[in-house]
Amino acid sequence: KAGVTQTPRYLIKTRGQQVTLSCSPISGHRSVSWYQQTPGQGLQFLFEYFSETQRNKGNFPGRFSGRQFSNSRSEMNVSTLELGDSALYLCASSPLTSGTDTQYFGPGTRLTVL
Amino acid sequence: EDQVTQSPEALRLQEGESSSLNCSYTVSGLRGLFWYRQDPGKGPEFLFTLYSAGEEKEKERLKATLTKKESFLHITAPKPEDSATYLCAVQAGFGNEKLTFGTGTRLTIIP
Repeated sequence: KAGVTQTPRYLIKTRGQQVTLSCSPISGHRSVSWYQQTPGQGLQFLFEYFSETQRNKGNFPGRFSGRQFSNSRSEMNVSTLELGDSALYLCASSPLTSGTDTQYFGPGTRLTVL
Repeated sequence: EDQVTQSPEALRLQEGESSSLNCSYTVSGLRGLFWYRQDPGKGPEFLFTLYSAGEEKEKERLKATLTKKESFLHITAPKPEDSATYLCAVQAGFGNEKLTFGTGTRLTIIP
């Protein structure tokens, strides 16, 4: 079974621009979560989607948004980029069946803001 | 607020030298504690899920244990390929998939 895929793998943007990142979960997984990883803050939860609905949100400004499609694929958008948004953005999927709630991570998208 | 503290921050071991990594947590209503391994430039790779105090799980040279306040990841006779950052995370409450991570332990195994 194919793992979580994320595209693109690398992105370079300038301040003020916006960016969209994509995540395809493991087949059959309906929950998709997004995390930001930086050397200073570690892994921090952004939000989680299930059945096209955002169920939980972390402590990030409104510039960070996301959505989920009917096929469970998810996108994350960051508007008005700031230098501090440079990070590895990780997507994780979970089947949420029979109490199995383990999250499986993709390889991440490395975003650099100049 | 859920909190996870991992120690030590970094650990260097000789090949074959066993040791343990610690993960202390405070959470209201633990649903699960997770261990991941992360190699540089890659996403975290799932290792174990522990649900209740007293539970233990093993995989090759790794063994994870859980108490009401902490978890340990024991590494027995490690090999250079075990070098990685090991991350601990907790999940609390039902209907909330948020994982709260520690900052990790960077493990280096010297041949």
